[in-house]
Amino acid sequence: AQSVTQPDIHITVSEGASLELRCNYSYGATPYLFWYVQSPGQGLQLLLKYFSGDTLVQGIKGFEAEFKRSQSSFNLRKPSVHWSDAAEYFCAVALLSGGYQKVTFGIGTKLQVIP
Amino acid sequence: DAGVIQSPRHEVTEMGQEVTLRCKPISGHNSLFWYRQTMMRGLELLIYFNNNVPIDDSGMPEDRFSAKMPNASFSTLKIQPSEPRDSAVYFCASSSGLPYNEQFFGPGTRLTVL
Repeated sequence: AQSVTQPDIHITVSEGASLELRCNYSYGATPYLFWYVQSPGQGLQLLLKYFSGDTLVQGIKGFEAEFKRSQSSFNLRKPSVHWSDAAEYFCAVALLSGGYQKVTFGIGTKLQVIP
Repeated sequence: DAGVIQSPRHEVTEMGQEVTLRCKPISGHNSLFWYRQTMMRGLELLIYFNNNVPIDDSGMPEDRFSAKMPNASFSTLKIQPSEPRDSAVYFCASSSGLPYNEQFFGPGTRLTVL
């Protein structure tokens, strides 16, 4: 069974600083990978996804993520964080089983942005 | 499109009562998911429908939980009887087309069972 690990439950960064949120997965083949963001009181919104091809994928709001097969990682990055980026971020893995997708979400990383 | 619509947004009930959560997926989407989110367990998939048919309900915690999708535009998640440990935020999400298309989430229903 696939699994997703987000080792950092909570991260605090200063506004304008760079950000990297870690995500590791456990799955035999190349998985389908997603990053979602959840603002307080709202549902999840897709930031970006990786299926194949270029291992560096660009997403919305200036985020990017890099797939590294050798490290089983899909870390999310942003060069300069804005106060509005404060939210919870979820890494997710999907596999196709029996003709349908089964998605497993990580526990989430809560991002705090300080002035 | 209005996005995924969930009702109610907040529900407070007493232990033992029946609770029904409602979801209207995005028009044209053929897959619907119910999730539960808690601090302790994170985001858990409860059940997944494809073309109105339940495909995977292995995440439904116990027989007190049931879900239906009578048509492509409506789904319910029912808890009967409710217990305090059911307190959580319940999300509905929908997606369309290829298996790995993104899921669009509703705003969630915050359930408190006293």
